[in-house]
Amino acid sequence: DAKTTQPNSMESNEEEPVHLPCNHSTISGTDYIHWYRQLPSQGPEYVIHGLTSNVNNRMASLAIAEDRKSSTLILHRATLRDAAVYYCILRDTGNQFYFGTGTSLTVIP
Amino acid sequence: DAGITQSPRHKVTETGTPVTLRCHQTENHRYMYWYRQDPGHGLRLIHYSYGVKDTDKGEVSDGYSVSRSKTEDFLLTLESATSSQTSVYFCAISELGTGNTEAFFGQGTRLTVV
Repeated sequence: DAKTTQPNSMESNEEEPVHLPCNHSTISGTDYIHWYRQLPSQGPEYVIHGLTSNVNNRMASLAIAEDRKSSTLILHRATLRDAAVYYCILRDTGNQFYFGTGTSLTVIP
Repeated sequence: DAGITQSPRHKVTETGTPVTLRCHQTENHRYMYWYRQDPGHGLRLIHYSYGVKDTDKGEVSDGYSVSRSKTEDFLLTLESATSSQTSVYFCAISELGTGNTEAFFGQGTRLTVV
């Protein structure tokens, strides 16, 4: 399965936008890019996913590079409740998906 | 929230004893997964199921077995628990196994093997 690379940690000020990067240079044409987040003491929570085009939903936006070798999760206005570990995952039709160690986001009041 | 229930939520057991964790879903999703989470490793896939009686191994399956006799239940068994299996275990479900399908996770089971 293709792997992803994320920074171990990032900080953001409250009410400012946050851009969480992810590199996936070995992505295949059928891999979807998924983002999940995990709040403290909870199970992971689905955030967003996409294939080629940028995607928006109520939680976040996903910007995908034209060559698909990288993507960015955008939280438009960080709140304290957004402090979590964010995972970027590639998923295809192989029935499985693998998590890396993710990016720990700290939101500063 | 997706209807996923893990039981028990917490368990302490002794080395060498068998342990079974249960994942129950009310969404009628075909795919179910078991992960373990340890500090510094993120989530690692243990086993998954793509239908009743259809299961396969993940990346860390040694020492674990699974069963799925009904769509709604996916059981993870540690035949003889060891201290290295102390971890937080998460169950996940997915309607399909395709890349265009999201997964939903349970709240986790914290297992301590002493």
